[in-house]
Amino acid sequence: AQSVTQLDSQVPVFEEAPVELRCNYSSSVSVYLFWYVQYPNQGLQLLLKYLSGSTLVESINGFEAEFNKSQTSFHLRKPSVHISDTAEYFCAVSDPTGGGNKLTFGTGTQLKVEL
Amino acid sequence: GAVVSQHPSWVICKSGTSVKIECRSLDFQATTMFWYRQFPKQSLMLMATSNEGSKATYEQGVEKDKFLINHASLTLSTLTVTSAHPEDSSFYICSARELAGGYNEQFFGPGTRLTVL
Repeated sequence: AQSVTQLDSQVPVFEEAPVELRCNYSSSVSVYLFWYVQYPNQGLQLLLKYLSGSTLVESINGFEAEFNKSQTSFHLRKPSVHISDTAEYFCAVSDPTGGGNKLTFGTGTQLKVEL
Repeated sequence: GAVVSQHPSWVICKSGTSVKIECRSLDFQATTMFWYRQFPKQSLMLMATSNEGSKATYEQGVEKDKFLINHASLTLSTLTVTSAHPEDSSFYICSARELAGGYNEQFFGPGTRLTVL
């Protein structure tokens, strides 16, 4: 069985400050890792993913996450946040066996960017 | 990205009635759709996986006779909550992927809030 822990339910941060949203996972097998973002009244959108290869993955809007196998972590970072980054962020894990489409989600972190 | 819609966005019903939730892929054909439920302050939990034209595969602990899933076309899946009770009140979310085999991105709908009185 797999599980995901997002310890921070809310993270307030000022605009242009750096932010890190933490994600730890538990799995007995190799994993695919994902970060999803959910804006108010919208569906979850894939922000970035790790399937294989480079452990550092980046999104088009400046977020990055690094897969750390020894620490079983996949923390999400952004060096300078914008007010438009305010949203709920979900970390998820899946088992590559069978395609990796069955996602196990964390409880989410609400990022609130303030002026 | 591809668009997935859900209808209705919210519904209130009386205990004992059945409620149908629709999930549509608007600009692609979905070979597979997934149904999740989310309780307040908790994570999304996968309920079932449905492939077009075949029976849904339910996760352990999910009552298939309670949560009826139909994936009759490549753009529509429905979740019917039968004889709903207050404990079925939750946020139901669907997702869809286009291709079969291997990893393919899932596209999520905005969710349906069900309240059973």
